[in-house]
Amino acid sequence: RKEVEQDPGPFNVPEGATVAFNCTYSNSASQSFFWYRQDCRKEPKLLMSVYSSGNEDGRFTAQLNRASQYISLLIRDSKLSDSATYLCVVNNNNAGNMLTFGGGTRLMVKP
Amino acid sequence: NAGVTQTPKFQVLKTGQSMTLQCAQDMNHEYMSWYRQDPGMGLRLIHYSVGAGITDQGEVPNGYNVSRSTTEDFPLRLLSAAPSQTSVYFCASSYSKGAGYTDTQYFGPGTRLTVL
Repeated sequence: RKEVEQDPGPFNVPEGATVAFNCTYSNSASQSFFWYRQDCRKEPKLLMSVYSSGNEDGRFTAQLNRASQYISLLIRDSKLSDSATYLCVVNNNNAGNMLTFGGGTRLMVKP
Repeated sequence: NAGVTQTPKFQVLKTGQSMTLQCAQDMNHEYMSWYRQDPGMGLRLIHYSVGAGITDQGEVPNGYNVSRSTTEDFPLRLLSAAPSQTSVYFCASSYSKGAGYTDTQYFGPGTRLTVL
């Protein structure tokens, strides 16, 4: 089983739609959680951190469920510019505090 | 700040050749790391460093060496290139925030490597 699992998609949605991605992680000791965004042929960039109480940044809402070990990302009022791959990222709490990446979920927003 | 820089952007090697991928950051970050990204596999950690003079292996270290003589630089060496090392390589850096917590990772633009 992969440490961080995501549905690869693609999710094809019309502009203005609401779309949600889920991600599951296997290491119950993980303490930090993130969503990164990666545009085609570009480097990943931090979209938002995920806090235990849930957090919102404009049209984006992230939720963490520690009991079930999953993380979600909700995008409201999708824009064409939201088209990208969204990477679920977890700190696996090893000695180096390094991150483990999911395979990514591809989102395509159509006019 | 230039952030994280990587050179070269593209490289084609023949099987058995060696080369060094360069990575530098000007943010005084303690943590630096190298990932490879293959279709359907996501990013996988090759090697990482928690400070100058300290390196350790990640998930897929075989065939690669690293060193960290300065805070700024973290080169990745391919000892004898193989077609299986064809991939996109990303270098990243971040601050240290203590055990179990990781600050934002800043990625370089990547190096696209093809091994024939």
